[in-house]
Amino acid sequence: DAGVIQSPRHEVTEMGQEVTLRCKPISGHNSLFWYRQTMMRGLELLIYFNNNVPIDDSGMPEDRFSAKMPNASFSTLKIQPSEPRDSAVYFCASTDAGLSNQPQHFGDGTRLSIL
Amino acid sequence: DAKTTQPPSMDCAEGRAANLPCNHSTISGNEYVYWYRQIHSQGPQYIIHGLKNNETNEMASLIITEDRKSSTLILPHATLRDTAVYYCIVRVLSGNTPLVFGKGTRLSVIA
Repeated sequence: DAGVIQSPRHEVTEMGQEVTLRCKPISGHNSLFWYRQTMMRGLELLIYFNNNVPIDDSGMPEDRFSAKMPNASFSTLKIQPSEPRDSAVYFCASTDAGLSNQPQHFGDGTRLSIL
Repeated sequence: DAKTTQPPSMDCAEGRAANLPCNHSTISGNEYVYWYRQIHSQGPQYIIHGLKNNETNEMASLIITEDRKSSTLILPHATLRDTAVYYCIVRVLSGNTPLVFGKGTRLSVIA
């Protein structure tokens, strides 16, 4: 079975540019999570969705960050405009929230570098 | 904030058992202990979870103390591929809530 698929795997862009990160959750999963990992702050939650509805976006650092989940098989995380401090690895994870003991499955992340 | 305390790093000889401790003295009655690991350049990977009984699967064993204030993850025969950061997380048994990661333990398996 395909796991959580994230694209691109690496992104290097100049500050001020718009960045869009993409995630395809595991088929049948109805909860999706976006996490960010930096050396300073470790792994932290940005936002999560249940049944395509955003539940908690309190981890989104600023209005420059936005996330959408237009359908059950796709989500985007957008940064506009990007800044050097947004450089990090961004992970997407999914799970089947209908089953209480299901773990979260993570993608391999997008390594973002803002110059 | 993470509700667990783990040593920042540990070494283990290849082929030996790796015993990773975790303190969670403020764990609530409805919270489970979960373990994930993160191998370099990959996303976190689920290992095992438990409430109060010891658990075992194909990857590891989880030993939880009777008072549930601490636990130990055991990798019975560590290999070089087990080198990773191991995270101990306490959370309620609900799939649709996020994980709160601490700093974890960096396990180095040495040949």
